[in-house]
Amino acid sequence: EVQLVESGGGLVQPGGSLRLSCAASGFTFSSNWMHWVRQVPGKGLVWVSGLNSDGSTIKYADSVKGRFTISRDNAKNTLYLQMNSLRVEDTAVYFCVRGFKGGTDVWGQGTSVTVSS
Amino acid sequence: QSALTQPPSASGSPGQSVTISCTGTSSDVGGYNYVSWYQQDPGKAPKLMIYEVSTRPSGVPDRFSGSKSGNTASLTVSGLQAEDEGDYYCSSYAGTNTLVFGGGTKLTVL
Repeated sequence: EVQLVESGGGLVQPGGSLRLSCAASGFTFSSNWMHWVRQVPGKGLVWVSGLNSDGSTIKYADSVKGRFTISRDNAKNTLYLQMNSLRVEDTAVYFCVRGFKGGTDVWGQGTSVTVSS
Repeated sequence: QSALTQPPSASGSPGQSVTISCTGTSSDVGGYNYVSWYQQDPGKAPKLMIYEVSTRPSGVPDRFSGSKSGNTASLTVSGLQAEDEGDYYCSSYAGTNTLVFGGGTKLTVL
């Protein structure tokens, strides 16, 4: 079964850091673009960042550029999102997503990040 | 990186058809045939319903269809069923390996 399982979310103070992880299984992880997409509860989906199969091409949304770092370990079938200088507006559920045909197909269940003092 | 524009809500009676629009620009929707549609139930992850404008993944009923004209893509649900209720999002490739999503449309089956 193709599966993505996120972890690492939690409560953090403004200015703090958090590292999200996404464990992939059931497919050849090293062959796919991977993305992070976030969603404020009750609001829409927002693309955050993506990287190609070997991690050599990385893209970020303007809202997180310079603060977030996406990476992957293909040997461990794991995607990461290092989030620094967190802001209240970064509060959201973060989804790990597999790239597919100019979009995405497989989504994890999401991990919740709350930035609050 | 502006969000694609979707109507906040749509509705229809069982058996009817409903169409949800997704408007972007020539830099995203109009520039590429990489529009996807997702269905999301409360508290769940989005589910892919359409990719590459009009292609259905296996397992998605043929009641769901997609199209595009210019900078606007559309999702049509024919023969509405109660189980079709939920939030629907479009996404588009936006060039330079970035993606953009729509704001979402809440579909209600009356």
